[in-house]
Amino acid sequence: DADVTQTPRNRITKTGKRIMLECSQTKGHDRMYWYRQDPGLGLRLIYYSFDVKDINKGEISDGYSVSRQAQAKFSLSLESAIPNQTALYFCATQSYRDTEAFFGQGTRLTVV
Amino acid sequence: AQSVTQLDSQVPVFEEAPVELRCNYSSSVSVYLFWYVQYPNQGLQLLLKYLSGSTLVKGINGFEAEFNKSQTSFHLRKPSVHISDTAEYFCAVGKGFQKLVFGTGTRLLVSP
Repeated sequence: DADVTQTPRNRITKTGKRIMLECSQTKGHDRMYWYRQDPGLGLRLIYYSFDVKDINKGEISDGYSVSRQAQAKFSLSLESAIPNQTALYFCATQSYRDTEAFFGQGTRLTVV
Repeated sequence: AQSVTQLDSQVPVFEEAPVELRCNYSSSVSVYLFWYVQYPNQGLQLLLKYLSGSTLVKGINGFEAEFNKSQTSFHLRKPSVHISDTAEYFCAVGKGFQKLVFGTGTRLLVSP
């Protein structure tokens, strides 16, 4: 089983719909991150959390919200999806003791 | 502010040939430098990192990178590539993962 699991792996949704992407980890890490990847733009940070009670905005948080339900779970929500939120979304985890991050396999989201 | 430039969006190479993927960064403070690899339909995986010390860093799968402070570069090299090295490679710079800035990626295409 993967250490960092994202669900769903693929999703097509309509403009205006609310959608939640979920991330769970078994690594016991306290830090969790959400990124989006767009062709030619690399990865951009949406939100990050250093522990259950800590939520921080990243570079491109507008249109997104997050919830850290437990140390192992970090969800990303699009309250009202729009087509330019079509992208590949990655969750990542990190221990505060280390510089290395571990990524999930990604969720490909298409907003039509 | 920090930034990363990956000069080549795509690098085609024949199997067993050497390869260099270029990365230049800008930062007003000392930073950590990373190379991540993304295989098709996978999340990112850490290849190697430079935190301090020796400027030649060895990573997994036979890759290495050299930190050059005067040229603000952190180029990735492999003396002999394999078909399985076909992937997208991301350079990243930052101090603290939440502050990592990723480059736009270089797609390495290895052909027989």
